[in-house]
Amino acid sequence: QQQVKQSPQSLIVQKGGISIINCAYENTAFDYFPWYQQFPGKGPALLIAIRPDVSEKKEGRFTISFNKSAKQFSLHIMDSQPGDSATYFCAAGATNKLIFGTGTLLAVQP
Amino acid sequence: DVKVTQSSRYLVKRTGEKVFLECVQDMDHENMFWYRQDPGLGLRLIYFSYDVKMKEKGDIPEGYSVSREKKERFSLILESASTNQTSMYLCASRAGTTIGNTIYFGEGSWLTVV
Repeated sequence: QQQVKQSPQSLIVQKGGISIINCAYENTAFDYFPWYQQFPGKGPALLIAIRPDVSEKKEGRFTISFNKSAKQFSLHIMDSQPGDSATYFCAAGATNKLIFGTGTLLAVQP
Repeated sequence: DVKVTQSSRYLVKRTGEKVFLECVQDMDHENMFWYRQDPGLGLRLIYFSYDVKMKEKGDIPEGYSVSREKKERFSLILESASTNQTSMYLCASRAGTTIGNTIYFGEGSWLTVV
């Protein structure tokens, strides 16, 4: 019940395309769902986060879609750019503990 | 600007050595964390501390211990390093215990045990 399953493991997208990364969780007590972005040689940094009281949150080109009944959430990167090439981690949690997904390596080709 | 500093970026240690990984944050955060990052396994929590001298086991504490004598400093200790502890270690901090507060990560410490 503590796992967060993330897919795909890697993703190649053309510049200007849409990148989509999916996550699924099992624990219905989870009430916080962030996405972290990690560039090579750096630590992860918070990108965007959502609470389960809304189905979508958008910040610039980045959108989280949340489906509470399916226990799934996804990150959409619109107009993907080479500078978006990074590893993306979803996470889910409640109280004070976050469980991270296994990561998706995104490569945006020019 | 928020800063979590891991003093050792790259280390090579021998099997059986005692290893110390140091982390300092300058944000006066109560919570500090140690994660391990491995390909295909994501980020796994080793230990966290919610206050000075307080600690709690994470998901993979075996073979590790921690020390938090001052609020700004959180150390990860490998009592007797083994090759399966070769990994990247990430320190992080967060204000308070609220799940929605941002976790800030350091840049990581790459440890190779030979």
